[in-house]
Amino acid sequence: GAGVSQSPRYKVAKRGQDVALRCDPISGHVSLFWYQQALGQGPEFLTYFQNEAQLDKSGLPSDRFFAERPEGSVSTLKIQRTQQEDSAVYLCASSLSANQPQHFGDGTRLSIL
Amino acid sequence: AQRVTQPEKLLSVFKGAPVELKCNYSYSGSPELFWYVQYSRQRLQLLLRHISRESIKGFTADLNKGETSFHLKKPFAQEEDSAMYYCALSGRGFSGGYNKLIFGAGTRLAVHP
Repeated sequence: GAGVSQSPRYKVAKRGQDVALRCDPISGHVSLFWYQQALGQGPEFLTYFQNEAQLDKSGLPSDRFFAERPEGSVSTLKIQRTQQEDSAVYLCASSLSANQPQHFGDGTRLSIL
Repeated sequence: AQRVTQPEKLLSVFKGAPVELKCNYSYSGSPELFWYVQYSRQRLQLLLRHISRESIKGFTADLNKGETSFHLKKPFAQEEDSAMYYCALSGRGFSGGYNKLIFGAGTRLAVHP
């Protein structure tokens, strides 16, 4: 693939619904990051995977947020019982190894009504 | 606490004028600094990193540890430079060896003909 692919590009959900956001990293990239970008702000770190291991989840804002990467490739960010403050763009980035430059996807714009 | 400050939300210049996008950081160890750029309707992409000490698209940035700054400069702005610019910080000391990025809020550069 040409780059990091995220789906869906846009997601509208009602408050209280669960959502799942998908990230397809560049093939062979070991490291995968999720960021949350609120309107008018820079991206904020959520969580980091090295292969299938979630090594850092310090940025997840609450226990409603859950991320997985079971086979060390595709990753899913799940948000349960969504709240209006969850509305943001969710960015996924991957890199060849831990300290190599990160390549970002287009993001998923999540709107909670 | 680790923090990146971009004091200007918008920088408006005329084509051919010099550009300086300001970035200040707060970090107690040895940081690695980056500039990311997002052109209209495109994804976030790495512009340059301080350890590379290279010039990309005519832009340069020098890490000044005394002033804790990493300002982005270009001597002659072009219309195609119009974009959103984010300064970002990473430090292996607090991130266990991977580039967990902390972003500033971004500066929108508008270059007018």
